[in-house]
Amino acid sequence: LAKTTQPISMDSYEGQEVNITCSHNNIATNDYITWYQQFPSQGPRFIIQGYKTKVTNEVASLFIPADRKSSTLSLPRVSLSDTAVYYCLVGDISGNQFYFGTGTSLTVIP
Amino acid sequence: EAQVTQNPRYLITVTGKKLTVTCSQNMNHEYMSWYRQDPGLGLRQIYYSMNVEVTDKGDVPEGYKVSRKEKRNFPLILESPSPNQTSLYFCASSWSSGEKGNEQFFGPGTRLTVL
Repeated sequence: LAKTTQPISMDSYEGQEVNITCSHNNIATNDYITWYQQFPSQGPRFIIQGYKTKVTNEVASLFIPADRKSSTLSLPRVSLSDTAVYYCLVGDISGNQFYFGTGTSLTVIP
Repeated sequence: EAQVTQNPRYLITVTGKKLTVTCSQNMNHEYMSWYRQDPGLGLRQIYYSMNVEVTDKGDVPEGYKVSRKEKRNFPLILESPSPNQTSLYFCASSWSSGEKGNEQFFGPGTRLTVL
């Protein structure tokens, strides 16, 4: 079960692009990288998942370098409503154990 | 509406009084899981189930039991609750394999206080 390392917290001004990097040096060949978002007193919500290179959806982009030992979640033009905790997970898509850790607490400032 | 429901949402109880937190999903997911969330410790997995009658321990299973008799339900049982089980609990479900295997859907949470 690969563990991940993320910054504990980040601040950003409204309208800026935010990049949160996650380190996963022990990622296995079959592992995918998944990001979740959690607002206070709510359950986490799936944002994006990728295996290699770049993935983009309506919410975010995920950049994964060739060695896959890290990944970067990119949130374009953040707003106050993007203030949340963001979790990076690594695991097999048919896996069963998930390690969320403490995530990165993002605060968007007006 | 596709969702995961948990009951109760809030519970205050006393040490040693058995309790059950129910979890139900309507998406026909094979995989279900329980997590607890504590300040400074993040979200930790308690138990998970790959399918009916298949359950296994997560990172912090001590003091908890689960059962999976039906696909849609995955109750969390605390036989003898203790104050260190005071926490925010989340249930989640997902497909067990394929590209959607890591996309878990979470319930609204149950805030448990054990006095």
